[in-house]
Amino acid sequence: SYVLTQPPSVSVAPGQTARITCGGNNIGSKSVHWYQQKPGQAPVLVVYDDSDRPSGIPERFSGSNSGNTATLTISRVEAGDEADYYCQVWDSSSDSYVFGTGTKVTVL
Amino acid sequence: EVQLVESGGGLVKPGGSLRLSCAASGFTFSSYSMNWVRQAPGKGLEWVSSISSSSSYIYYADSVKGRFTISRDNAKNSLYLQMNSLRAEDTAVYYCARVDGYDFDYWGQGTLVTVSS
Repeated sequence: SYVLTQPPSVSVAPGQTARITCGGNNIGSKSVHWYQQKPGQAPVLVVYDDSDRPSGIPERFSGSNSGNTATLTISRVEAGDEADYYCQVWDSSSDSYVFGTGTKVTVL
Repeated sequence: EVQLVESGGGLVKPGGSLRLSCAASGFTFSSYSMNWVRQAPGKGLEWVSSISSSSSYIYYADSVKGRFTISRDNAKNSLYLQMNSLRAEDTAVYYCARVDGYDFDYWGQGTLVTVSS
């Protein structure tokens, strides 16, 4: 089955840029979606189709996808961005949705 | 406003059964595929099952295939998950989520299922 690998944690100072990677075999050929989950809350979609943002999501959240790595970039990080982030794709070879392992973003 | 409200969670013994429900409102339920996603305590997200808008296409994760059954009632704007032969490893918060394209654009708040003797 398809595997998506994320770093367990990323630390960033306020105002700096956080980059969260999502690795998968030829992931650049798939559409990647990203979710933010704060403690005790349901996940929230922050980027879909590699780089599009749902309404209400700040422009500070952006995405890219190429080759074997997709990246979620959070610019001008704020304390409120501290959360777990998950990437996700649809794997047509197994007719299944796949989530990444998750990355905890800590704002220093 | 899109709302998804899960119910039916609780404590069940290993080998037991439970039926989860998800009540949808604020959108045309019959036009969207719906899914169940779970999260074990302290763990990541795991997709469980998917059902297309007219129930024509149904998919399951290997971990639940043969034990769980997803269904929907478009007349009642409701999604269901029948869970049989429950195991300790099925313990998780179960989320109902709407699919738009191939992303989960709206999620419920979840219902906790605990499998323990």
